[in-house]
Amino acid sequence: AQSVTQLDSHVSVSEGTPVLLRCNYSSSYSPSLFWYVQHPNKGLQLLLKYTSAATLVKGINGFEAEFKKSETSFHLTKPSAHMSDAAEYFCVVSDRPGGGNKLTFGTGTQLKVEL
Amino acid sequence: NAGVTQTPKFRVLKTGQSMTLLCAQDMNHEYMYWYRQDPGMGLRLIHYSVGEGTTAKGEVPDGYNVSRLKKQNFLLGLESAAPSQTSVYFCASNLRDRVTGELFFGEGSRLTVL
Repeated sequence: AQSVTQLDSHVSVSEGTPVLLRCNYSSSYSPSLFWYVQHPNKGLQLLLKYTSAATLVKGINGFEAEFKKSETSFHLTKPSAHMSDAAEYFCVVSDRPGGGNKLTFGTGTQLKVEL
Repeated sequence: NAGVTQTPKFRVLKTGQSMTLLCAQDMNHEYMYWYRQDPGMGLRLIHYSVGEGTTAKGEVPDGYNVSRLKKQNFLLGLESAAPSQTSVYFCASNLRDRVTGELFFGEGSRLTVL
């Protein structure tokens, strides 16, 4: 069985400060992990993915995430927040290689960016 | 290249009415999915299809039916709508290639059942 927990439902940061969105996972196998972003009234868009290659994964728009097996975590970070980063972010886990068709979504973290 | 297109984008139904949501993708993807998104619950898989003519149940299939008569289309039907089916519905698709695992999403269909 697989599961994912996003530790914060809401995160608020000031523009130009670092962003940290936390995600812990549980998986019976070597997991594939993803972060998706959803802007208001839009579909989800892939930010980055981990599929057993490098543990530090770089994504679009300056985001990156580090896979830490010992901590079962896959936290999303960005050095400097921009107003356009305000959105909802979903951590997703799959314990099939490459994701397959059995994905489990976290409940989401709403990121607010203030001036 | 339109990607994944959902119609309609908005719909209001009365309890007991039926309707069909249409999802069309132009990326020649084998896999297609229907999810529902509710506040505080993330996305939950309703049904999915791994190819033309095939469908399978996901996490929350009750009250929904699906069909995949053509590779590019995946229909989600509600035979007798209930207020509990008020939600935002997302269609997604991806390639059979399991290395990437990336899903491509439509922009959603917001359904209200009164």
